Amino acid sequence: SAVISQKPSRDICQRGTSLTIQCQVDSQVTMMFWYRQQPGQSLTLIATANQGSEATYESGFVIDKFPISRPNLTFSTLTVSNMSPEDSSIYLCSTRQGYTEAFFGQGTRLTVV
Amino acid sequence: GENVEQHPSTLSVQEGDSAVIKCTYSDSASNYFPWYKQELGKRPQLIIDIRSNVGEKKDQRIAVTLNKTAKHFSLHITETQPEDSAVYFCAASLRSGGGADGLTFGKGTHLIIQP
Repeated sequence: SAVISQKPSRDICQRGTSLTIQCQVDSQVTMMFWYRQQPGQSLTLIATANQGSEATYESGFVIDKFPISRPNLTFSTLTVSNMSPEDSSIYLCSTRQGYTEAFFGQGTRLTVV
Repeated sequence: GENVEQHPSTLSVQEGDSAVIKCTYSDSASNYFPWYKQELGKRPQLIIDIRSNVGEKKDQRIAVTLNKTAKHFSLHITETQPEDSAVYFCAASLRSGGGADGLTFGKGTHLIIQP
């Protein structure tokens, strides 16, 4: 199994500012994923981060709004840029062991005021 | 892309009874189907998964069935207990040439176990 540490666990931010979320895995992994979970909703994949290449974004998500870094095989960051109240969500990072189980960080609960 | 539909959105059962949650998927290339349990304020946790080369898998009180032809899969929980109360998500994924894909989730089922 993979242990994923994510921080911050929660934050309250002013609209128009940016927040960077960090995700650390206890082992080297090829793929890391970022999800958004809006209040009371399901998880939606934002992007896939592969070390050494540009992140791949899902429909509806763009790099200017959600820039991602993947500097090595154990770490990734997601930035939520120019925030608005609609960005208030839980953001989760994830990785998969091979082609099976996905493990999740504890999530970052973001409130934009 | 993949689309996963999940029903029902809320399911209330008496303790000790069985619960069944159903999902359908759209992409016939999907080959991995996990089920996650998420308790309030916590991260999703895998409870069972199934691959497309298997029709059924069981782990104690939990079982998952897969019908590839109809593109649907179901979660069965028997002898439900109060601690089974949570939100359950189904998901689908495919194995692409470049590595494992992210998961496409259903909208979730809020399972309530009535004492």
